[in-house]
Amino acid sequence: GENVEQHPSTLSVQEGDSAVIKCTYSDSASNYFPWYKQELGKRPQLIIDIRSNVGEKKDQRIAVTLNKTAKHFSLHITETQPEDSAVYFCAAFYYNQGGKLIFGQGTELSVKP
Amino acid sequence: DAGVTQSPTHLIKTRGQQVTLRCSPKSGHDTVSWYQQALGQGPQFIFQYYEEEERQRGNFPDRFSGHQFPNYSSELNVNALLLGDSALYLCASSFSTALGSPLHFGNGTRLTVT
Repeated sequence: GENVEQHPSTLSVQEGDSAVIKCTYSDSASNYFPWYKQELGKRPQLIIDIRSNVGEKKDQRIAVTLNKTAKHFSLHITETQPEDSAVYFCAAFYYNQGGKLIFGQGTELSVKP
Repeated sequence: DAGVTQSPTHLIKTRGQQVTLRCSPKSGHDTVSWYQQALGQGPQFIFQYYEEEERQRGNFPDRFSGHQFPNYSSELNVNALLLGDSALYLCASSFSTALGSPLHFGNGTRLTVT
């Protein structure tokens, strides 16, 4: 079925450390994988996305890697800052009947100064 | 350039009542998706509208229905409200999801059912 598993559910790091969030998806036909950041009381905002023809994408301190064989993708945040504290959601695009984005359960990241 | 706008921002209803939530997509977008986000959970896909038709539907009962207008704006209707319908309802717009387009979310409507 359509499913995206996300781990860990909570993650606490010291400022300056790296943070890694991992997701797996179930449909091998999926080829678009965005990541969203949601601060408390605010809308989810797209921070980075990757398509299946690319194995890695980087934007300043944020990078995403994709392993299509394993149906696994990850978000990497380096040199974390307190303002990175938020809930992060991965998602996978499922093509069945027009396409829809299915989200993981979220990871609450806490960056301690 | 206005982003996705939703109204109202907050709503309190009683069990059994009906509610209508509204969404205007980002300029240039033609597809609207609705999500339900319970506290501490990821957004759950309700349905998607394109060309005024429901194109995709998630695992939600028929009490949840929607509509898309010629100007691409959309409504989400929920009948016979249950306590479990209390959640943040997010509208997201995109430009034709055929190839997997980024979703742009509105600020959501916080629905409380008492």
